[in-house]
Amino acid sequence: DGGITQSPKYLFRKEGQNVTLSCEQNLNHDAMYWYRQDPGQGLRLIYYSQIVNDFQKGDIAEGYSVSREKKESFPLTVTSAQKNPTAFYLCASSIFHGSNEKLFFGSGTQLSVL
Amino acid sequence: AQSVAQPEDQVNVAEGNPLTVKCTYSVSGNPYLFWYVQYPNRGLQFLLKYITGDNLVKGSYGFEAEFNKSQTSFHLKKPSALVSDSALYFCAVRDAESGGYQKVTFGTGTKLQVIP
Repeated sequence: DGGITQSPKYLFRKEGQNVTLSCEQNLNHDAMYWYRQDPGQGLRLIYYSQIVNDFQKGDIAEGYSVSREKKESFPLTVTSAQKNPTAFYLCASSIFHGSNEKLFFGSGTQLSVL
Repeated sequence: AQSVAQPEDQVNVAEGNPLTVKCTYSVSGNPYLFWYVQYPNRGLQFLLKYITGDNLVKGSYGFEAEFNKSQTSFHLKKPSALVSDSALYFCAVRDAESGGYQKVTFGTGTKLQVIP
C-alpha cells in the first residue's frame, strides 16, 4: 500500500538533546511538509520541500532543521534550541507543490520532554 | 492574510441526527477549501474540497459541504451521524492565487462527539 510512514510513534527528549523524526513516503510525491500540532491551535507549518535537495522555512522553523537527500525521505530534527518541543508532529506530502490537490498525512509522532 | 475560523470547539449530536460543523474563512482572492478528519493519535485524512463549480461538494463517508461565498462559509454536513464519525475535524483554506501548499491555513479543529 502507498502511504507515509512516520517513526517513532512516541519519542522522549532530554534537555539539551537533539532528536530526529523520520518520515518516508512511497507515493512518488515531489512535495513534503512538516507540521506541528498543539491542542487547540490547529496545524502550523515548520518546513516544506518541493524537490530533492531543496527546502523552505515555514511559519515556525526556529529550533528545527530538515534535509531532503532522497525524494522518499524528509527527516525532521528537533534541536536543543527548540525550548518547547512537546507536540504532535505530522509529516505530509502532495503530488506537487502549488497544486490544489489534497495533502496525505502520516500517523504522527508524539514528542515529549523528560 | 488568510484565516479560518471554526467557532465551536466541540459539537455533540445524537446518532442518526443530522450534523453540521461550521467553518468560515477569509482570503483576498478566490478560496480553495478543504475538510480533513483526524482520529485519535492519527494523521489527518482528506474528506472533501471545493475548488470551483457546484457549491455543494460531496466527499468521503457520506459527508458534504456547502460553499457560500456571500457568507464566506464552508460548513461540513452529514444527514445522519454515526458513532464512528466521532473525531476531530479541520477546515483549511488556501488563496487560489497564493501559489503552493505552504499557504494553506488550518482551523483550530472541532471535536465531533456522536452520542449513541
